[in-house]
Amino acid sequence: QQQVKQSPQSLIVQKGGIPIINCAYENTAFDYFPWYQQFPGKGPALLIAIRPDVSEKKEGRFTISFNKSAKQFSLHIMDSQPGDSATYFCAASIRGGADGLTFGKGTHLIIQP
Amino acid sequence: DTEVTQTPKHLVMGMTNKKSLKCEQHMGHRAMYWYKQKAKKPPELMFVYSYEKLSINESVPSRFSPECPNSSLLNLHLHALQPEDSALYLCASSQWYRAGNTIYFGEGSWLTVV
Repeated sequence: QQQVKQSPQSLIVQKGGIPIINCAYENTAFDYFPWYQQFPGKGPALLIAIRPDVSEKKEGRFTISFNKSAKQFSLHIMDSQPGDSATYFCAASIRGGADGLTFGKGTHLIIQP
Repeated sequence: DTEVTQTPKHLVMGMTNKKSLKCEQHMGHRAMYWYKQKAKKPPELMFVYSYEKLSINESVPSRFSPECPNSSLLNLHLHALQPEDSALYLCASSQWYRAGNTIYFGEGSWLTVV
């Protein structure tokens, strides 16, 4: 499966700040780009997802920005809270995920009170 | 809360044991997946089942044997595992072949091989 490159590996932000996590991909056949949030000891939970025909999607405090020409997408967390501290994975898939997801390496996010 | 249920949550097994991990979903999904996740790493795809048939096997060693008895159940049979197989095993499901297809994960089964 093609690689998805995620950065940064770790991130510390003060409460109320806006952490930004970036991902880049190479395979133009990818047609679905979800973000998953994972707390220690738990399975990944879908946070928000976007398709390449949309440049931005917002759900609550979470926003995905998508740049198809640059083959990049990013997650922004508005008004971040200590409860947002978790590992975040970007992912990409072909055919809506029928062949499974290709994950980025993850970002360990800490929101300090 | 996740609608993909995995049992057991924790399993310790010896290298000569035979055990199974179980997964169940009642969302009517026709695709089910097994992923393996090591500490501080992303999940890695192992197997994909679509309409109860194995469609993808990501070169997984034969000591891992998947089974899909029906559209709601997915098993992973384990035999003669190695200590390096210790990991979190995640089951997931999705509608299959649909753009914007959401893949739902279970809480995982923590496997320790001793």
